Amino acid sequence: DTAVSQTPKYLVTQMGNDKSIKCEQNLGHDTMYWYKQDSKKFLKIMFSYNNKELIINETVPNRFSPKSPDKAHLNLHINSLELGDSAVYFCASSQRASTGELFFGEGSRLTVL
Amino acid sequence: QQPVQSPQAVILREGEDAVINCSSSKALYSVHWYRQKHGEAPVFLMILLKGGEQKGHEKISASFNEKKQQSSLYLTASQLSYSGTYFCGTEREGGSEKLVFGKGTKLTVNP
Repeated sequence: DTAVSQTPKYLVTQMGNDKSIKCEQNLGHDTMYWYKQDSKKFLKIMFSYNNKELIINETVPNRFSPKSPDKAHLNLHINSLELGDSAVYFCASSQRASTGELFFGEGSRLTVL
Repeated sequence: QQPVQSPQAVILREGEDAVINCSSSKALYSVHWYRQKHGEAPVFLMILLKGGEQKGHEKISASFNEKKQQSSLYLTASQLSYSGTYFCGTEREGGSEKLVFGKGTKLTVNP
């Protein structure tokens, strides 16, 4: 069983479209994250939820909206996609919000044309 | 706020040693090390907490000097499987609950 799973693994879409990425973890962790990895491999935190509550919201355009229906799921919806949104988006989870080992999903590669 | 890693890249022959450094301008609570192979997700290696401890993981170990706000990752007798990009992640003192990663160090181990 995959510990942290993301779908879809690949998205190719046109500028201006809206897309969603889903993430699920079966580790029983309380905290989930979204990280963005750009073409230069820089891993940047975007959001973090602890037990469905948003605890980290970095300087991210409000076109990005995370949603956590329960502590095992964290989805990311992106409106009005731009070229600069092209990246690999990683979902991760940890047992607790701080000092916890991060378990990453396989990543979702988004390409905006 | 982002930690600085050095070197940016290193090329080794199998069996050689390497050191990767990570430094921060802020007081740190913890340092995390991850390895990412091409096309894969980052994988956890170890966490070092404030207290200057050293940790080991097979032939990979790390130290954390909280006074200097620095951590070093030591890879000894490198194997081909060690190839990948190594990221340090730092959590600031004060419990920001946010792990900020450095830009990574690309390690290539050749036969």
